[in-house]
Amino acid sequence: DAKTTQPPSMDCAEGRAANLPCNHSTISGNEYVYWYRQIHSQGPQYIIHGLKNNETNEMASLIITEDRKSSTLILPHATLRDTAVYYCIVRVARSSGSARQLTFGSGTQLTVLP
Amino acid sequence: GAVVSQHPSRVICKSGTSVKIECRSLDFQATTMFWYRQFPKKSLMLMATSNEGSKATYEQGVEKDKFLINHASLTLSTLTVTSAHPEDSSFYICSARDPLAGVSDTQYFGPGTRLTVL
Repeated sequence: DAKTTQPPSMDCAEGRAANLPCNHSTISGNEYVYWYRQIHSQGPQYIIHGLKNNETNEMASLIITEDRKSSTLILPHATLRDTAVYYCIVRVARSSGSARQLTFGSGTQLTVLP
Repeated sequence: GAVVSQHPSRVICKSGTSVKIECRSLDFQATTMFWYRQFPKKSLMLMATSNEGSKATYEQGVEKDKFLINHASLTLSTLTVTSAHPEDSSFYICSARDPLAGVSDTQYFGPGTRLTVL
């Protein structure tokens, strides 16, 4: 799985968009970008994933650059409950066979300020 | 999304006792579950991979005789911390992949179990 680099921490004002960057310059063509987050003292929560195209769901948007070497997770209207550590993980996905573990880096601590 | 539960959410025990933590997939069957450990202000570290009907696979440095894993059914994996010591105090988290997730390979995590060994 490709290595990712994220800033250790970011602040965002409540109600504003939170843009969390992730660099994955060694990503290969069959690797997906996944985002998870972990609120304090809880298990990680899946947010979104993508391969090439930008993706959007009810939680967030994922913008992947054309060369796929970096991506940005966007929380359009951050709330205090979005304060968490956000993990960007790059890995090959497969629909069959045994599941594989996730390798977590240090992530980005997002603090949403009132 | 799929739901994974853990029980108990919090446990305090005396040094030398054993503690069992359960991980259940509530609305899907998981042939594989993962057990992670997380120390304060640190990231999650994989301890072992639990395979239904076969032996678990442990990561380097994790003692298989101390952290017993049983994956007896497609919806339940248990982690037993034997002869617990204060250094085993940590946040234990399990995860499972929904086989119906297709190519997304998304994993779902339990809420975690906070173990404190006195």
